[in-house]
Amino acid sequence: AQSVAQPEDQVNVAEGNPLTVKCTYSVSGNPYLFWYVQYPNRGLQFLLKYITGDNLVKGSYGFEAEFNKSQTSFHLKKPSALVSDSALYFCAVRATQTGANNLFFGTGTRLTVIP
Amino acid sequence: KAGVTQTPRYLIKTRGQQVTLSCSPISGHRSVSWYQQTPGQGLQFLFEYFSETQRNKGNFPGRFSGRQFSNSRSEMNVSTLELGDSALYLCASSLEPSGGTQYFGPGTRLLVL
Repeated sequence: AQSVAQPEDQVNVAEGNPLTVKCTYSVSGNPYLFWYVQYPNRGLQFLLKYITGDNLVKGSYGFEAEFNKSQTSFHLKKPSALVSDSALYFCAVRATQTGANNLFFGTGTRLTVIP
Repeated sequence: KAGVTQTPRYLIKTRGQQVTLSCSPISGHRSVSWYQQTPGQGLQFLFEYFSETQRNKGNFPGRFSGRQFSNSRSEMNVSTLELGDSALYLCASSLEPSGGTQYFGPGTRLLVL
């Protein structure tokens, strides 16, 4: 079985400060991990993914994520937050069953960047 | 390249009716997945199609069905609508089913009265 946990429903950060949105996962085998962002009345936008390789993954809009196998975490980070980063962020892990491609999502973290 | 498109964007139905939602994947993408998003249950996988075949199905009742056409466009159908079916239905496409990144459409918001 696989699952994702996002322990914080809400994260507030001041504009210009670094931000972190936390994600931990549970999966047997090697994880395929993803971050998506959702703006109001919009679908999910892909930010970045970890399949294999470097533990620090760089993605869209200046976001990056750090894969930590020992802590089973995949936290999303950005060095300097923008007001426009305010949105709902989802961490996801791909199903590990052979032939399955579906994603299991966390419950989401609402990020508010305060001007 | 155009993104994933979904029609209609908004829909209001009454209990007992049925509804069909449509999804056109990114050009060249052959795998289409459907997800339901609700405040209570979050994002849940419905089913995935590739080469007109359903490859995988989530834990939803048989009232939820789908299909994929030869041009990779997909439809999902919900019969005998219930109030609890009110949700944002998201379609995602990927090049191939084997671990490719899924790109999502804007969704269809269904309200069941």
